[in-house]
Amino acid sequence: GEDVEQSLFLSVREGDSSVINCTYTDSSSTYLYWYKQEPGAGLQLLTYIFSNMDMKQDQRLTVLLNKKDKHLSLRIADTQTGDSAIYFCAENEVNTGKLIFGQGTTLQVKP
Amino acid sequence: DAGVTQSPTHLIKTRGQQVTLRCSPKSGHDTVSWYQQALGQGPQFIFQYYEEEERQRGNFPDRFSGHQFPNYSSELNVNALLLGDSALYLCASSSGQGAQPQHFGDGTRLSIL
Repeated sequence: GEDVEQSLFLSVREGDSSVINCTYTDSSSTYLYWYKQEPGAGLQLLTYIFSNMDMKQDQRLTVLLNKKDKHLSLRIADTQTGDSAIYFCAENEVNTGKLIFGQGTTLQVKP
Repeated sequence: DAGVTQSPTHLIKTRGQQVTLRCSPKSGHDTVSWYQQALGQGPQFIFQYYEEEERQRGNFPDRFSGHQFPNYSSELNVNALLLGDSALYLCASSSGQGAQPQHFGDGTRLSIL
């Protein structure tokens, strides 16, 4: 079945770039997403990429998609302490509204 | 522009009871999906409602049921609560059926004693 995998933890210094990686299995996914979850809160849609794109940039965020390797990454430039949160990668099950999430990557930003 | 709103924010129930959670979608959205997020895990899809009907369902027992109203708002009902139902229940809304970006509410934290 479908599966999304992420590394569990990443620690960076304030001002550095962060790169969070994700692998997925459903090659026919329409969209791939990155969500951010802060403690005690719901999920905030950060950005998403359509499956026929290789890259999408939105201010400090850059998403790279490698369809051949089924690999998705999120780069956060100039990481700030406010970026500390759990980041979830998700894919759409083909032709449905079901999102399949990874386990989440905890990003720790040290001052 | 109101985002997705859920109520209540927290709820405590005992085993065997029944619970109803509520969700109002983001303005302009007509599709509502429900997810269960256990502690330390990613959200798991429960089901999706569009045009007042359940369109897709995840791997959850029949104890989990839902409803969508003509104004697109939705309810999630869980019967015969188990300890394992303790989780954050998230509602997401989107526009149209199928693969569209989903926007989430802040969730309802359900604790079963």
